[in-house]
Amino acid sequence: GQNIDQPTEMTATEGAIVQINCTYQTSGFNGLFWYQQHAGEAPTFLSYNVLDGLEEKGRFSSFLSRSKGYSYLLLKELQMKDSASYLCAVPRGGGSQGNLIFGKGTKLSVKP
Amino acid sequence: NAGVMQNPRHLVRRRGQEARLRCSPMKGHSHVYWYRQLPEEGLKFMVYLQKENIIDESGMPKERFSAEFPKEGPSILRIQQVVRGDSAAYFCASSPRTSRVNEQFFGPGTRLTVL
Repeated sequence: GQNIDQPTEMTATEGAIVQINCTYQTSGFNGLFWYQQHAGEAPTFLSYNVLDGLEEKGRFSSFLSRSKGYSYLLLKELQMKDSASYLCAVPRGGGSQGNLIFGKGTKLSVKP
Repeated sequence: NAGVMQNPRHLVRRRGQEARLRCSPMKGHSHVYWYRQLPEEGLKFMVYLQKENIIDESGMPKERFSAEFPKEGPSILRIQQVVRGDSAAYFCASSPRTSRVNEQFFGPGTRLTVL
């Protein structure tokens, strides 16, 4: 089967760095997505990793280890607006353009 | 380039009524996905459609739920005889027609409340 685990909630301080972990089990890996979702809004795309390693995009970076079934999202220089849920997702069954299997999301609260 | 459009944004129905949710994908996108999100839960896949075809409906309940994506017009998710448990946010996403995995662009969602 397929399963995604991520922490339910995290709290961090404005200006700090936070790492949100995601572990997954999937048949036929075909990449991993991170989405950001503010309360009551649509998820927005943050990153897509298909190869091992770290990909940096401004204040946000995403890391993938396929052998460990593990990814993390790193947020630097936290801002209050980063308070949101962060969703880890993998395509189902390894097929292209298939539906995404989402984790339950990690709700990040950024405190002043 | 307009994003994914969904309407209505909020929909209130009484038990037993029908709910129709509409989704217009981004221009140039021919793949549409519907997801349901219950409070404090993750997004759950329901159905994946291309124009005039249902590709994967494995996440959609067998009864009361149906979806279509006609040649012309938006994709429609239809829920007949709604029950309180159908109250949720329903998100539509679209992706372009290519052979590789693409990010899915999400609409703002329709929040269905069943009284």
